This record gives sequence, structure tokens and C-alpha cells, in this order.
Amino acid sequence: DTEVTQTPKHLVMGMTNKKSLKCEQHMGHRAMYWYKQKAKKPPELMFVYSYEKLSINESVPSRFSPECPNSSLLNLHLHALQPEDSALYLCASSQITGNRDNYGYTFGSGTRLTVV
Amino acid sequence: AQSVAQPEDQVNVAEGNPLTVKCTYSVSGNPYLFWYVQYPNRGLQFLLKYITGDNLVKGSYGFEAEFNKSQTSFHLKKPSALVSDSALYFCAVRNPNTGFQKLVFGTGTRLLVSP
Repeated sequence: DTEVTQTPKHLVMGMTNKKSLKCEQHMGHRAMYWYKQKAKKPPELMFVYSYEKLSINESVPSRFSPECPNSSLLNLHLHALQPEDSALYLCASSQITGNRDNYGYTFGSGTRLTVV
Repeated sequence: AQSVAQPEDQVNVAEGNPLTVKCTYSVSGNPYLFWYVQYPNRGLQFLLKYITGDNLVKGSYGFEAEFNKSQTSFHLKKPSALVSDSALYFCAVRNPNTGFQKLVFGTGTRLLVSP
């Protein structure tokens, strides 16, 4: 399995809703990432988990709450979002140690989030 | 801090002609460089990477890129463009000296290949 799987593919939520985005990989990667991408813009890093511990938080508002329950799963919990949070949310994973040739990222197809 | 620049918002090329998408980088030390492609409403697909070794790197779908340390560039090339190559292309850099974790993207270049 060489994929990163993200669910759902599309999500519409109200500003008072609570929802979660899910990401799963079975490549044995021990680093997992959340990126946010606005239309026609590059992806922007939000969070990095390494060995299931949060290692980077790029000053993301607390209405976004990441969780890494195990080495294969990464969640992003959403609460009280704003319309400007509407974007494509991308999950990625990568190796941490080992052959440098394996240091590339594998991205999922993303969740298209619309906040109304 | 590490960064990449993609000076062209859009590149137009006719099918069958060679294409080049430009990327320059700024990072202390030796960078890890990547190219990704994104089709509409999709995630990023890996094309190729430079870690070390030969300056000419071959990747997926007939793409290649040349690492030029003196010019701090990593331009993406293809000898003969296809209409299906039309997409958004991102150059990205990682500085191994500051850890494996942060991949920084350029602003992206839209490639439009006309029939």
C-alpha cells in the first residue's frame, strides 16, 4: 500500500458544527502532516507529527485540533470554523530515518472543506 | 530560512514542443528539492526529487529536472509536452540541516499545453 487515504473527500459544515477529517497510511511512515491549501495557492504547513507526537504547530488557531491516535492515523478536529477556513486540507506522510531516497512526502487527495 | 521561487505564474507551450518550468531556491547547505504536480481538485502527485548525486534527475511521466548549484536552480523540463501535462506544478525544498520535517512550496506555475 503506497497511498495516503483521506476522508471525507468533501465536507460542508456550519460555523457552529464540530467535524473531523481523517487520514490513514500503511507505509510505515512515522511523520505525518496537515497542510491547508487555498485556491491557486501553494499548500501551507499546519501541523507535523513525528512518532505520534506533535512536533510542529505553525501557529494554527485553536479551532483546529490535530490528533494522532497511532502511527497510521491522523485526525484533524474542527470546531467553530469561519468561512475563510474553507480550503483543501491535505494530509501527507514521510519517512523519518533510513535511506535518504525515502525522504519524499506522499500526499493524500485532500478534503475539500466549505464552511457556511 | 528556506524558500523557493517560481517566477512564472503560467507557462504556455504547444503540444510536442519542449517545456521548462523554472524554480530557484534559497537554503543554507545542501537542499533536498522536489517537484509535485496537482490536477484540479486533487492532491499533489510526486514527480521527482534531488537529494544528492547526478545533477540531472529523471522522474515520472517523462519529466526531468536539472540541479544547478551555482545558479541555485532546479528547473523542470520535458522534451515533448502533452495536452494532458496541463496542470499546476509546485517546486518544494527541504533543508536537511534543520530537520526532515518542513517542506516549503513555491507559489506554483500553471502549465497550459495547447493542442
